[in-house]
Amino acid sequence: GAGVSQTPSNKVTEKGKYVELRCDPISGHTALYWYRQSLGQGPEFLIYFQGTGAADDSGLPNDRFFAVRPEGSVSTLKIQRTERGDSAVYLCASSRQGGEKLFFGSGTQLSVL
Amino acid sequence: GQQLNQSPQSMFIQEGEDVSMNCTSSSIFNTWLWYKQDPGEGPVLLIALYKAGELTSNGRLTAQFGITRKDSFLNISASIPSDVGIYFCAGYNAGNNRKLIWGLGTSLAVNP
Repeated sequence: GAGVSQTPSNKVTEKGKYVELRCDPISGHTALYWYRQSLGQGPEFLIYFQGTGAADDSGLPNDRFFAVRPEGSVSTLKIQRTERGDSAVYLCASSRQGGEKLFFGSGTQLSVL
Repeated sequence: GQQLNQSPQSMFIQEGEDVSMNCTSSSIFNTWLWYKQDPGEGPVLLIALYKAGELTSNGRLTAQFGITRKDSFLNISASIPSDVGIYFCAGYNAGNNRKLIWGLGTSLAVNP
């Protein structure tokens, strides 16, 4: 597609449940990023992929968060045992090689009740 | 984590006025990026700056990479109602070109 695509656009879940958020980056972009954005804040870095490997996962808040990118294209962010504090907009971005201009998707609004 | 100091936090202006916002950092940056975010959307890249002193324009928008490499500003000339949104500065510091550091945003409202 022409831009970064994220699905679903909205996800409502109950505390303790498992969720998966999907990101389809711009074709040909080798770098993929996940960010989290709370109301009134700038995006907060979670994890960065270069190809299939996680080059930097230092932003993942704890071991309930995990992300994969098995074929170097689509990525899935997985959150186990969700907590109310996980509620936020999860943004995905991609760039041609990394370390430069990032192009963002529209985000997934996650609400944990 | 590290964040940039972005100001002002919010602005309310009349259509046709010029707008200026800036970002400062305590450390040296190699790249400055300015993004605009509309409600329910991801940030959209407006301008990218790569060299100290660089002045770049994109339509009515002009941004500069500060000489000290610790600041940047964004100007919007002759504002129009569709300029409404949140503007974020972001950058890569000299120590890490993979983790983009963000300001907290400037919320712009334009009165037609």
